[in-house]
Amino acid sequence: DVKVTQSSRYLVKRTGEKVFLECVQDMDHENMFWYRQDPGLGLRLIYFSYDVKMKEKGDIPEGYSVSREKKERFSLILESASTNQTSMYLCASSPGGKYEAFFGQGTRLTVV
Amino acid sequence: GENVEQHPSTLSVQEGDSAVIKCTYSDSASNYFPWYKQELGKRPQLIIDIRSNVGEKKDQRIAVTLNKTAKHFSLHITETQPEDSAVYFCAADLMDSNYQLIWGAGTKLIIKP
Repeated sequence: DVKVTQSSRYLVKRTGEKVFLECVQDMDHENMFWYRQDPGLGLRLIYFSYDVKMKEKGDIPEGYSVSREKKERFSLILESASTNQTSMYLCASSPGGKYEAFFGQGTRLTVV
Repeated sequence: GENVEQHPSTLSVQEGDSAVIKCTYSDSASNYFPWYKQELGKRPQLIIDIRSNVGEKKDQRIAVTLNKTAKHFSLHITETQPEDSAVYFCAADLMDSNYQLIWGAGTKLIIKP
């Protein structure tokens, strides 16, 4: 019963490459989020979107951008990948901040 | 900025014993406090949440308590089982945002057989 799907489970990219992480949800949620998960640091918000073409920066937006052209799809873009962006990336969607968030399975990105 | 502190970072308990994880939040206007469980290699999933109009909520072996005066809330797991082994995250909503949650750093719960 998968509701939030991320395009890749594992990804290896070279330094300087432009990287696209895709996320699709089928629950018609208004809000979508991209988090970065590192050991001991919990879930850190990169960007979120509360409507099509709308976006807001989270806690760690530097080096990232996002795109939301359709309600069900939210893309995270690493403009020029660097080794310090090696991490687990989690996408989530929810009807609002005070309601359950549904997460994707995560993308383990390694930048070499 | 607002934050949520979560303790301990690692908790090891004997199977059958109880486990307690505590979180303290800074935004006094927060009124939604969820707990998520992330098993190894899997996605985080909501296990229980509480809103500020109640002080305690139970669901079988898990319970959450909220003390708004002290700005802390706790997750209680009784009669722990091997399948309770996971990382648990607490979170609190931001009053001035309809969208954002502030997350704790996570607690790795280990159930010893």
